[in-house]
Amino acid sequence: NAGVTQTPKFQVLKTGQSMTLQCAQDMNHEYMSWYRQDPGMGLRLIHYSVGAGITDQGEVPNGYNVSRSTTEDFPLRLLSAAPSQTSVYFCASSTIMRATEAFFGQGTRLTVV
Amino acid sequence: AQSVTQLGSHVSVSEGALVLLRCNYSSSVPPYLFWYVQYPNQGLQLLLKYTTGATLVKGINGFEAEFKKSETSFHLTKPSAHMSDAAEYFCAVSAPSGNQFYFGTGTSLTVIP
Repeated sequence: NAGVTQTPKFQVLKTGQSMTLQCAQDMNHEYMSWYRQDPGMGLRLIHYSVGAGITDQGEVPNGYNVSRSTTEDFPLRLLSAAPSQTSVYFCASSTIMRATEAFFGQGTRLTVV
Repeated sequence: AQSVTQLGSHVSVSEGALVLLRCNYSSSVPPYLFWYVQYPNQGLQLLLKYTTGATLVKGINGFEAEFKKSETSFHLTKPSAHMSDAAEYFCAVSAPSGNQFYFGTGTSLTVIP
């Protein structure tokens, strides 16, 4: 039972480079989301999706793109990395039933130099 | 709109002492409330949640929380701290109308032997 799988676990990028953080879940969850975690700021929502083909912006979407072509996968793209995007990124999934909890991946620690 | 305030970014307790982590929420509608735990270099794991019904909720590892509507609080407690409880704890709220979670800034718990 893999749950939510994120790759890579660690990444170092140079300013201006692009990359994609991968997220896959095997629980057939409709709802998937991306958060960034920064010291003293908790988790902030970047983008989310309520199903294949449907995405929307969260609290801090600038500099990030997402797509949802399948129920299982929800990649996060950094188009032109900036040092301000140095953070730990978490992918989460849940059903769309009310009062359901979110299941989190192990996180991707990204450093932009 | 929903928001969460966690009082105390760092809490230290002695092994065997009471653990009390504070969480206050703001919500325009009756919320769903969650406590998550994050161990070093790991993702978030659900401790417990309140949806409806009994206001005292029991979770894993001996933790419990009480929903107090009049105080808009959902404080987390454990009668006797164990060394393995050292972690970061996040309180979160979600609106009944959707799956978006709003996290507090987290409380780092240190257990002193």
